[in-house]
Amino acid sequence: GQNIDQPTEMTATEGAIVQINCTYQTSGFNGLFWYQQHAGEAPTFLSYNVLDGLEEKGRFSSFLSRSKGYSYLLLKELQMKDSASYLCAVRGGTSGGKLIFGQGTELSVKP
Amino acid sequence: GAVVSQHPSWVICKSGTSVKIECRSLDFQATTMFWYRQFPKQSLMLMATSNEGSKATYEQGVEKDKFLINHASLTLSTLTVTSAHPEDSSFYICSARDLGRIRTNTEAFFGQGTRLTVV
Repeated sequence: GQNIDQPTEMTATEGAIVQINCTYQTSGFNGLFWYQQHAGEAPTFLSYNVLDGLEEKGRFSSFLSRSKGYSYLLLKELQMKDSASYLCAVRGGTSGGKLIFGQGTELSVKP
Repeated sequence: GAVVSQHPSWVICKSGTSVKIECRSLDFQATTMFWYRQFPKQSLMLMATSNEGSKATYEQGVEKDKFLINHASLTLSTLTVTSAHPEDSSFYICSARDLGRIRTNTEAFFGQGTRLTVV
C-alpha cells in the first residue's frame, strides 16, 4: 500500500527554526512536494524534490533521501504568518502523475 | 503563473439535490485534472483522476455514480455531487496538470476550492 506519515502538529517560536519530517512508502516515486495550506484555502506550492539532497528557497528548504523514504521541510526565521498546515505529497510512479498527500502538520508559531 | 479557477467557492444545498463544481485551467491546456476532498483538520484525499475525452479513474471507495466527473475539453472538468447528503459536506479541490510542464515541480496547479455544505 501507500503510506505517507508526518507529525500531526508542531509548535514553534517566532524567529526560530522548525523541521517538519515526512516518511513515505509508495508504489514508485516521481517526486515529493511540500505545500502550505491556510484554513479554508487551497494548498500553495512550497518545494519539490526528485533527487536526493537539499533544495533551498529563501526561508524554506526541503531535503530528500529516496533510499530512506524520508523528507523534511525546514522553515527558518519563523514568522507568525507561517502558522498553517504543511502537507507532504508524493507523486507515484504510475501513469497520470497523481499526488498522494500525507495527513498534514499543523504548525503554530507563537510570539 | 498558471491559473486554475474553481467555481463556486462555496455552496449550500438541500439534502437530496445535486451540485456541480467547475474547474477551469485559464491559461494552459490540461489533459488531466485531479479532484480531491478534504474534511476538517484532515489532508487532501484524492477522489478521482479526470482525463479529457475519456472516463475518469476513481480511487478505491469513491462512488463513481455519486460523484460524476466530466472532462469535455482541455480546459474544463466538472464534478457533480449527486443526491447530496450532509456527510458529503466537505472542501472539494481540483488540480490541473500543465501539458507544457510535464514532470516538473510546476506541473500541477490547484483551484481555490469549493466549500460544500449540505443541509
